[in-house]
Amino acid sequence: DADVTQTPRNRITKTGKRIMLECSQTKGHDRMYWYRQDPGLGLRLIYYSFDVKDINKGEISDGYSVSRQAQAKFSLSLESAIPNQTALYFCATSDRAGKTYGEQFFGPGTRLTVL
Amino acid sequence: ILNVEQSPQSLHVQEGDSTNFTCSFPSSNFYALHWYRWETAKSPEALFVMTLNGDEKKKGRISATLNTKEGYSYLYIKGSQPEDSATYLCAFDTGGFKTIFGAGTRLFVKA
Repeated sequence: DADVTQTPRNRITKTGKRIMLECSQTKGHDRMYWYRQDPGLGLRLIYYSFDVKDINKGEISDGYSVSRQAQAKFSLSLESAIPNQTALYFCATSDRAGKTYGEQFFGPGTRLTVL
Repeated sequence: ILNVEQSPQSLHVQEGDSTNFTCSFPSSNFYALHWYRWETAKSPEALFVMTLNGDEKKKGRISATLNTKEGYSYLYIKGSQPEDSATYLCAFDTGGFKTIFGAGTRLFVKA
């Protein structure tokens, strides 16, 4: 079984709808991240969490919110989806600082289309 | 603003060719430089993590070098094979939460 899973894998929705993307991990890592990827751009950080009680905004957090329900679960919400949020979304995990130098482990991605 | 540049953006080579691409990153606040390989329809997977100036890493036909003083890393693939076709991402890590990804180099290897 995959160490980092994301649901759904694909989603088409309409402008204004609320969407939740879920991420679960079995790696036992404290740190979890949400990224989006757009063609021609690198992975851009939306939110990150270093443990269950820690939530931090990344570089492009506007229009998104997150919830860290447990060490293993980190969900991303779009409260009112808009077309420019159409992208490929990745969840990732990493171990604590000093272990594996921040190597990240990625989920399979969620392709979101907002019409 | 921290910026990570990768070049070229894409590369088409023939099977058997050797190739290399570049990752440029800030020369300050360096903690680690990561290379990831990202195949179409899959998720990025770690290739190398490089932490010391002068580091050289090798995995099969793929190797990487690191120069933290001038802020660049090279990834080399010797004798490219079609299965090497992928996007190669580098990521600059400052040791805090900040990991900055480059846009990637997309490699196409034709049989």
